[in-house]
Amino acid sequence: DTAVSQTPKYLVTQMGNDKSIKCEQNLGHDTMYWYKQDSKKFLKIMFSYNNKELIINETVPNRFSPKSPDKAHLNLHINSLELGDSAVYFCASSQLGMGTKNTGELFFGEGSRLTVL
Amino acid sequence: SQQGEEDPQALSIQEGENATMNCSYKTSINNLQWYRQNSGRGLVHLILIRSNEREKHSGRLRVTLDTSKKSSSLLITASRAADTASYFCATDATSGTYKYIFGTGTRLKVLA
Repeated sequence: DTAVSQTPKYLVTQMGNDKSIKCEQNLGHDTMYWYKQDSKKFLKIMFSYNNKELIINETVPNRFSPKSPDKAHLNLHINSLELGDSAVYFCASSQLGMGTKNTGELFFGEGSRLTVL
Repeated sequence: SQQGEEDPQALSIQEGENATMNCSYKTSINNLQWYRQNSGRGLVHLILIRSNEREKHSGRLRVTLDTSKKSSSLLITASRAADTASYFCATDATSGTYKYIFGTGTRLKVLA
């Protein structure tokens, strides 16, 4: 019944490893996001997909690669993990229509806490 | 940076008191939203106010928006210990980028 679900909730890994975080939403929304929240609670947008198409790609190292197999899923793969990648990564979804004004609220997952040692 | 700022960064009040948080942003917007985040949890949407609205209410929440000053405030009346959380404002740019920019957050602690 969870609207936006992320897995795993916790991830502890060594520097240099590659890891993935998965996100699924059952709300029928057409837009999904990845946000990064650092230790100071700053929440920064990373990527957004609308109907499987990448529409927002912020200044994020290309070690981060999002992938949207369908509009209900948005996964995040991270290569060659670094200490600075430690953070909580939030997936969110919203119902937005291209060409219309933004009106949708964001529905967030519970977050995936990544710790790089 | 487009990121908004909120003040105060932290606020501690007694149960029953009102809590006011402010948000300032930098660009023109379509709407502004407020979110709440309990410790260790995801963000939950509280209220949305459009750029052509000046005030909005939802239960114990009252939000104001002043587009000329690029600022908004969130008032929680008759606070409860359960209101203890971080509160964030989020704005979208009118350029249609569908990019929601979050403020730095206010950490509210309501003492029982």
